[in-house]
Amino acid sequence: QQQVKQSPQSLIVQKGGISIINCAYENTAFDYFPWYQQFPGKGPALLIAIRPDVSEKKEGRFTISFNKSAKQFSLHIMDSQPGDSATYFCAASRRWGGADGLTFGKGTHLIIQP
Amino acid sequence: GAVVSQHPSWVICKSGTSVKIECRSLDFQATTMFWYRQFPKQSLMLMATSNEGSKATYEQGVEKDKFLINHASLTLSTLTVTSAHPEDSSFYICSAIPRDRLYEQYFGPGTRLTVT
Repeated sequence: QQQVKQSPQSLIVQKGGISIINCAYENTAFDYFPWYQQFPGKGPALLIAIRPDVSEKKEGRFTISFNKSAKQFSLHIMDSQPGDSATYFCAASRRWGGADGLTFGKGTHLIIQP
Repeated sequence: GAVVSQHPSWVICKSGTSVKIECRSLDFQATTMFWYRQFPKQSLMLMATSNEGSKATYEQGVEKDKFLINHASLTLSTLTVTSAHPEDSSFYICSAIPRDRLYEQYFGPGTRLTVT
């Protein structure tokens, strides 16, 4: 059973455009929803995270939108740049910070075209 | 700060042999470390939770006798893949939670294991 579903699997966006990646979860016990960025051959790096009592969180060009009733959350990358080309994972955990381990989505391969 | 290293970064071993992967928190102490497995172009799957001084907790479906985890100190956890088979070939990634910052988690760069 996949507890966090992520889409799309791959995404191509023009430089300067908005990249949008969506995730849906099933377990209502999840209380922490981070997004990670991973480059080939590297470990994931935390981008931004949100709790379910907040509908939106913005850090620089990255914004998480959260819809608790729909059990969905999304990552928006504004003014997308070629350096943003990477694989993005959404994740979820029952504890803030992922202290009981993280359940990851399948990932989105993002390509920003110059 | 908050750097996690893994050694080796890549390893090739023959079927039937054992291989040990180290995960170190370089500038912080970690009471909890996690081990994940990632197949090519796939997601990360949590294998086990490693707590310093106690036995690791394994996720359902992960063979604890095959994937031996030791968290001997506050800065080191090791994963030993015993009697390796080609299907064990994967990218193994660890993460660590600082003991004084329980709401943060840092990932290592991963170890690529190839079993021939």
